[in-house]
Amino acid sequence: GQQLNQSPQSMFIQEGEDVSMNCTSSSIFNTWLWYKQEPGEGPVLLIALYKAGELTSNGRLTAQFGITRKDSFLNISASIPSDVGIYFCAGHVNFGNEKLTFGTGTRLTIIP
Amino acid sequence: EAQVTQNPRYLITVTGKKLTVTCSQNMNHEYMSWYRQDPGLGLRQIYYSMNVEVTDKGDVPEGYKVSRKEKRNFPLILESPSPNQTSLYFCASSYQRASSYEQYFGPGTRLTVT
Repeated sequence: GQQLNQSPQSMFIQEGEDVSMNCTSSSIFNTWLWYKQEPGEGPVLLIALYKAGELTSNGRLTAQFGITRKDSFLNISASIPSDVGIYFCAGHVNFGNEKLTFGTGTRLTIIP
Repeated sequence: EAQVTQNPRYLITVTGKKLTVTCSQNMNHEYMSWYRQDPGLGLRQIYYSMNVEVTDKGDVPEGYKVSRKEKRNFPLILESPSPNQTSLYFCASSYQRASSYEQYFGPGTRLTVT
C-alpha cells in the first residue's frame, strides 16, 4: 500500500525550542491528519486538515495542508516536557473505505 | 466518556493457539478498523468495517480474521498465531460521513507469540 515519508525520524530538542516536522507523499491526499502517541497509549488526534493550503492551529500546534496536496507540516512552538512522544501524519483519499495511510512517525525527545 | 476499549492490553501466547482481541466503541461510529504497529513501519491497516456485516481487507490481512455482528464491537481473531504476528495492535473507529475522517484509537494490545 501507499506510504508517507515522514521526517525527521527523531528529534532531540531543548525545552522552549520550536519544532518542525513534515510528511510527503508521491500521491495526492484529500485530508491530512496529525496524531500524537504517548508511551503505552493509542494515537490521539491533534489536528485535521481538509483543504489544500489550509493552516490550522491547536494551541501551540500549527499544521498546514500543502498546496500540491502531497505534503503537510506540523510545527510546535515553545516546546514543553509533555510534548514528548511520537507524532504521526496520516493521509486520506476518497476511495470510500475511510482508509488512513500513516507516516512512520517522528519521535520527539526534550532535553532538560 | 467517549472511548474505544480493547482487551486484553497485554497477551503472551504460543504458536498456533487461537486468540481473540476484542474492541468496543461507545460513540455509535459506523467505521471500525484494526492496525498493527511495528518499529520503523508506522501503523498498517489489517482489516476494516464500514458497518455491521460489512468488512474488508486492509494492507496486511494475512493470518487475521474479523467480524462485525454488532455496531459497537469489532473483534480481531488470530486462528493460528505465528511469531511474526508479535506486534502492538490498535483498534480505531470513526463516523462514516464525507466531512470527517478523524479516527479515534483504543489504548492498544501488545501481543507476543512465542
